[in-house]
Amino acid sequence: IAGITQAPTSQILAAGRRMTLRCTQDMRHNAMYWYRQDLGLGLRLIHYSNTAGTTGKGEVPDGYSVSRANTDDFPLTLASAVPSQTSVYFCASSEGGGDSPLHFGNGTRLTVT
Amino acid sequence: DQQVKQNSPSLSVQEGRISILNCDYTNSMFDYFLWYKKYPAEGPTFLISISSIKDKNEDGRFTVFLNKSAKHLSLHIVPSQPGDSAVYFCAAPSSGTYKYIFGTGTRLKVLA
Repeated sequence: IAGITQAPTSQILAAGRRMTLRCTQDMRHNAMYWYRQDLGLGLRLIHYSNTAGTTGKGEVPDGYSVSRANTDDFPLTLASAVPSQTSVYFCASSEGGGDSPLHFGNGTRLTVT
Repeated sequence: DQQVKQNSPSLSVQEGRISILNCDYTNSMFDYFLWYKKYPAEGPTFLISISSIKDKNEDGRFTVFLNKSAKHLSLHIVPSQPGDSAVYFCAAPSSGTYKYIFGTGTRLKVLA
């Protein structure tokens, strides 16, 4: 079934450690996104990529980095995790343009202790 | 600055009745709006969208209304079913960019 695969499903991480959340899509979508979901704050955009080779900052980019080496993969890296990065992280993709819906993965639940 | 606002964190509705979820926005340049539904432990799934050239879009039990002058949109679910119980997010792509801005969500509970 076509879609977005995120890994791991959940992770407990010690503060200060480095972590990469993986995201792969098989829909050949141009655009990809990383959101975090926090209670009372909804979904907030961390980083996005319009197409392979380009990335951009969202609403809450600090402490996170991304790369888009190819169309299918869009990993999110926490260089040195802090407790405030405890959240559920969702990867999404879209065909691109301003009128195509986002398709989401099932999320990664990250706890930073 | 919250550009997309959902002021009701939760809503309870009896099965078979109408559910109305509201969303307000501040950016008059938004020209496309989406609604997503999210179940626990799953990613959000796309439900319905509306372009700013329309004031209504219908898909089965789901209808979205757009009032551009009031910068307000609403999602109507008729009739509501227990399986509709979920968190609903409205969203809009920031004009000229690929950034989709989401509201904070409304948790709908449909009572059997």
